[in-house]
Amino acid sequence: KNQVEQSPQSLIILEGKNCTLQCNYTVSPFSNLRWYKQDTGRGPVSLTIMTFSENTKSNGRYTATLDADTKQSSLHITASQLSDSASYICVVSASSSASKIIFGSGTRLSIRP
Amino acid sequence: GAGVSQTPSNKVTEKGKYVELRCDPISGHTALYWYRQSLGQGPEFLIYFQGTGAADDSGLPNDRFFAVRPEGSVSTLKIQRTERGDSAVYLCASSLGIYDTQYFGPGTRLTVL
Repeated sequence: KNQVEQSPQSLIILEGKNCTLQCNYTVSPFSNLRWYKQDTGRGPVSLTIMTFSENTKSNGRYTATLDADTKQSSLHITASQLSDSASYICVVSASSSASKIIFGSGTRLSIRP
Repeated sequence: GAGVSQTPSNKVTEKGKYVELRCDPISGHTALYWYRQSLGQGPEFLIYFQGTGAADDSGLPNDRFFAVRPEGSVSTLKIQRTERGDSAVYLCASSLGIYDTQYFGPGTRLTVL
């Protein structure tokens, strides 16, 4: 069964600190993996996208890693800011079908001043 | 337009009523997706359009749900005989192609009383 699992479910950190969010997947055949940021009451916004051959991708203070062998990905946020408070969703696409774009349940990140 | 827009932003209806939710994708995007998101969960795939045709409707939960995209641009998600369990945020996304980055609208929050 195609699944995407994220951990932790929620996380609270102090402003300025770093954090790492985890994503494990069983989607097959693998096409790509994306991380999205979703602010409350808004639609998700793409942060990074990685294909099978890529194992790291950065977007400003966000760095995503991918280990296709272990089917794990992480999103590292450096020097967190209050505006980073949001849900972060891992999305894995299987080849060939739109219905095989599988969303994780997200990690709810709260940044405290 | 500048982004994906959805109307209405909020819809409250009574059980058994019919509702229509509208999505205006980014101009030029041939791929359009509908998702449903419950509180604390990631988006759940409903249907995908490539142009005017529904290329994959395997996510529609039952025959009360129907979606159209008659001219390959604006799409309407239609729900008949609404049930309380239909209450959720309905998200629309568009992309250039199936494997390209999806741009999400702000969603329509549907509440069935």
